[in-house]
Amino acid sequence: AQSVTQLGSHVSVSEGALVLLRCNYSSSVPPYLFWYVQYPNQGLQLLLKYTTGATLVKGINGFEAEFKKSETSFHLTKPSAHMSDAAEYFCAVSGSGGGADGLTFGKGTHLIIQP
Amino acid sequence: KAGVTQTPRYLIKTRGQQVTLSCSPISGHRSVSWYQQTPGQGLQFLFEYFSETQRNKGNFPGRFSGRQFSNSRSEMNVSTLELGDSALYLCASSADQETQYFGPGTRLLVL
Repeated sequence: AQSVTQLGSHVSVSEGALVLLRCNYSSSVPPYLFWYVQYPNQGLQLLLKYTTGATLVKGINGFEAEFKKSETSFHLTKPSAHMSDAAEYFCAVSGSGGGADGLTFGKGTHLIIQP
Repeated sequence: KAGVTQTPRYLIKTRGQQVTLSCSPISGHRSVSWYQQTPGQGLQFLFEYFSETQRNKGNFPGRFSGRQFSNSRSEMNVSTLELGDSALYLCASSADQETQYFGPGTRLLVL
């Protein structure tokens, strides 16, 4: 069984400040980890993923995340927030078997950017 | 490449009716998954199809069903609609069993 916990349903940062969105997971098998972003009235867009190999992964729009097995975490960061980053962010996990098992999502974090 | 497309984008139905939603995956992708998104329950996995076979199913009642055609296009059906079925239904396709790419969703409102 797998689960994902996203700490903070809402996170507010100033434009230009560091963005940090927290994600902790539990998985009985080596996990594949994902961050998706959802803009209003749209589907989910893949930001980045970790499957194997390098634990620091870079994604689109300047986001990156680090897989820390000892902490069972996969936090998302961006050095400098932009107004266009305001959206809902979802962390997800799947078993190393991939898509057949389906993704298990966290509840989401709404990112608010203050001008 | 064109992305995942879903039709219709919006749908209004009444309790007791049934509904069919359609999903066309990215060209070359053979795996299609369906998810339900609601404010209360969040994103939940419905089922996954690969080469016309359902490989896995989430914890949903039998009123929710799906199928996949030989061209990888997929449909999901919900029978005897309930108010709680109001949701955004998302389809995702995958080529590598690893990364899923999502469509824009179909927003279903049950009155």
